[in-house]
Amino acid sequence: AQTVTQSQPEMSVQEAETVTLSCTYDTSESDYYLFWYKQPPSRQMILVIRQEAYKQQNATENRFSVNFQKAAKSFSLKISDSQLGDAAMYFCAYTAHGGATNKLIFGTGTLLAVQP
Amino acid sequence: EADIYQTPRYLVIGTGKKITLECSQTMGHDKMYWYQQDPGMELHLIHYSYGVNSTEKGDLSSESTVSRIRTEHFPLTLESARPSHTSQYLCASSEYKGAVGELFFGEGSRLTVL
Repeated sequence: AQTVTQSQPEMSVQEAETVTLSCTYDTSESDYYLFWYKQPPSRQMILVIRQEAYKQQNATENRFSVNFQKAAKSFSLKISDSQLGDAAMYFCAYTAHGGATNKLIFGTGTLLAVQP
Repeated sequence: EADIYQTPRYLVIGTGKKITLECSQTMGHDKMYWYQQDPGMELHLIHYSYGVNSTEKGDLSSESTVSRIRTEHFPLTLESARPSHTSQYLCASSEYKGAVGELFFGEGSRLTVL
């Protein structure tokens, strides 16, 4: 069975600094997708970034980038130049390629605080 | 902001009551989902739907039921609420031919059963 593990329940970063959130996963599939979702307090969860396993290049979206290590089954999120609006719960998620249902498996989340 | 709405946002109810959590989306998405989210725990898929008249149970067993009579509407019902049903319920939708894994979430319905 596929699993997603986030070992950091809480993290804190100073505004304008860089922070890295960790995620590991377990799967026997060779082709899959990994995601980071952001859930601000009392607001909708939104997709931050997506990585396709067959792509070796790490995905980047503005200040957000990932470090995808397929052999190690590691998928960390780096937030550069942290802003107060980045404070949220961040979830790592996985889905197998070809899964027409878009059924995501989520980790337990990392609560990120941004200090002014 | 995604066009997916959940009501009520907060509900406190007594044991044994029947409740329905509403979820509507205006994006015309075929796929819809219900996730259960407990504090400090991952989201678990409890129901999903490919389209009208299509519903399936998710990975986490749930005593709730769902229906999909209209594309835009995916309500979740608990016939007899119990304290163990206390949780946050998130509704989501995705486009059939959209990007893999891109779900659009509602703001959630936080249910407390006394």
